[in-house]
Amino acid sequence: DAGVIQSPRHEVTEMGQEVTLRCKPISGHNSLFWYRQTMMRGLELLIYFNNNVPIDDSGMPEDRFSAKMPNASFSTLKIQPSEPRDSAVYFCASSLPGPNKNIQYFGAGTRLSVL
Amino acid sequence: SQQGEEDPQALSIQEGENATMNCSYKTSINNLQWYRQNSGRGLVHLILIRSNEREKHSGRLRVTLDTSKKSSSLLITASRAADTASYFCATDVDGSEKLVFGKGTKLTVNP
Repeated sequence: DAGVIQSPRHEVTEMGQEVTLRCKPISGHNSLFWYRQTMMRGLELLIYFNNNVPIDDSGMPEDRFSAKMPNASFSTLKIQPSEPRDSAVYFCASSLPGPNKNIQYFGAGTRLSVL
Repeated sequence: SQQGEEDPQALSIQEGENATMNCSYKTSINNLQWYRQNSGRGLVHLILIRSNEREKHSGRLRVTLDTSKKSSSLLITASRAADTASYFCATDVDGSEKLVFGKGTKLTVNP
């Protein structure tokens, strides 16, 4: 099993540019989570999907952030326009349905630097 | 907002010693987990303990849960340099798939 796959691993962009982060969850997992990790704020949940439907987006910082899950094997997190304060590591995670639905499997993350 | 808070924030020990990390949380839970994060990598699930359990073991890991005190501890016995990582506790939210993570304990095991 390839695990959760995120791309790109690193992204450097200039303020005002659009950034798109991508995630492929583990096959058979029906929940997908987007997190942001910074030294100051730790690991924050941005949004999560269940069966491709957004369930809780209360952690999305503002309208500049959007996330989609068009099918069970792909999700994107878009920032438009990007700002320096968006610099962070963004993680995607997925989980199985059932009694172990809380056990999450994380991708390697995308390190975003906005100059 | 963080639900779990780990203590200490950082811990440095010698190889072969035991490492104990603590986690406190605020609201009632169904389960609590511990995850490890190596530098520059994603989090990896270590162990899950349910609210009706008091202690659980997995290899060199021992986790305890005290729901009356809203606290948990993670003990790593006979530590190795490869255990150097950050360790996070995570609690479920209202029975949903959602987790809330603490800020973690950074463990350094010196060879």
